[in-house]
Amino acid sequence: GENVEQHPSTLSVQEGDSAVIKCTYSDSASNYFPWYKQELGKRPQLIIDIRSNVGEKKDQRIAVTLNKTAKHFSLHITETQPEDSAVYFCAANSNSGYALNFGKGTSLLVTP
Amino acid sequence: SQTIHQWPATLVQPVGSPLSLECTVEGTSNPNLYWYRQAAGRGLQLLFYSVGIGQISSEVPQNLSASRPQDRQFILSSKKLLLSDSGFYLCAFPTGAGVSGEQFFGPGTRLTVL
Repeated sequence: GENVEQHPSTLSVQEGDSAVIKCTYSDSASNYFPWYKQELGKRPQLIIDIRSNVGEKKDQRIAVTLNKTAKHFSLHITETQPEDSAVYFCAANSNSGYALNFGKGTSLLVTP
Repeated sequence: SQTIHQWPATLVQPVGSPLSLECTVEGTSNPNLYWYRQAAGRGLQLLFYSVGIGQISSEVPQNLSASRPQDRQFILSSKKLLLSDSGFYLCAFPTGAGVSGEQFFGPGTRLTVL
């Protein structure tokens, strides 16, 4: 499938600080970009998504921005809390039966 | 409501043994279904997808196979497991409007091959 690159692979922030995770994609036909949060041993769960007709979307402390020209999108978490600690995955839809191509994940640790 | 079940939840198998993982969905009809694998500390890799009964598309060459005997049932199999088959196997289907959108994951099967 097409590549989705995600950085950084690990991120450690202090409680109350902001966290930013960045992804790039290669398939210009991709038009749907979700972000998933996965806690240890659990299934990934959608936290926010954005479609290509929108440049930014916000839901309380989390926001996603999309730059279609540059083919990159980012997750922003403000006022981080210890319960935000998890692995976060970005993804972009593909033409393989509308499956998702995932980044390799970012392990976020929020320390009190 | 839409739900997705997977079993078993965990499995420990010796190298060379067969495998059968099952996924069933409820609350939806004729869904696209997907099998992903997550190796330890890695991202999710699409293995197979199915757009209907008896239709399987493979994304990665390997010793695994998939089948869709019923609309809401998706099975992942292997005749002989390899050590590299260890991982967290997740079944998923699309929710929301249209097929190009959110994918909802099942609880997963954690497979350890020894």
